[in-house]
Amino acid sequence: DAGVTQSPTHLIKTRGQQVTLRCSPKSGHDTVSWYQQALGQGPQFIFQYYEEEERQRGNFPDRFSGHQFPNYSSELNVNALLLGDSALYLCASSPGTPSYEQYFGPGTRLTVT
Amino acid sequence: GQSLEQPSEVTAVEGAIVQINCTYQTSGFYGLSWYQQHDGGAPTFLSYNALDGLEETGRFSSFLSRSDSYGYLLLQELQMKDSASYFCAVIAGTASKLTFGTGTRLQVTL
Repeated sequence: DAGVTQSPTHLIKTRGQQVTLRCSPKSGHDTVSWYQQALGQGPQFIFQYYEEEERQRGNFPDRFSGHQFPNYSSELNVNALLLGDSALYLCASSPGTPSYEQYFGPGTRLTVT
Repeated sequence: GQSLEQPSEVTAVEGAIVQINCTYQTSGFYGLSWYQQHDGGAPTFLSYNALDGLEETGRFSSFLSRSDSYGYLLLQELQMKDSASYFCAVIAGTASKLTFGTGTRLQVTL
């Protein structure tokens, strides 16, 4: 049984560019959450998707957007990249809501130069 | 808003017991979770408390006091592989949103 998978593993972008990160949830999970983790910090909640809709959003600007597909996989899009967007982006899946146990993927390390 | 506080670093000897404390401020509190994260790895779920008291899972135990907005993670029989960052995370509101603390870096020494 595959766990949460994310692609790509690493990514280097230039300021002002756009990026798309991808996530496949654990089998049987229908809820996907995205987190941003800066070096030495705890993960910060970006938003959560359930039934292809954004259900809850953290304190992130509209440059951060997402999508969930019918197979429950999800994408995170970031427009107009800033240097401060450099971080580890984590995807977590859970079976329904509320769910206290979330399964995290290995993350995508984004570097903005 | 929500805020969580936990010590930034803890050092302990192999075989010892260590307690990592977490205090929180939030509205709409559902429960407190604990996650472990090794360097370069993903956070992995350790424990969850929704009600007051102690939850035990092998060498790890977690405690919650809702009236004191306080919890702790207890690690027994420490092993070198326990060296990692440990995060408390509050679940609040109507969805499964996790709000993480800044993490406690545990260093286990010989």
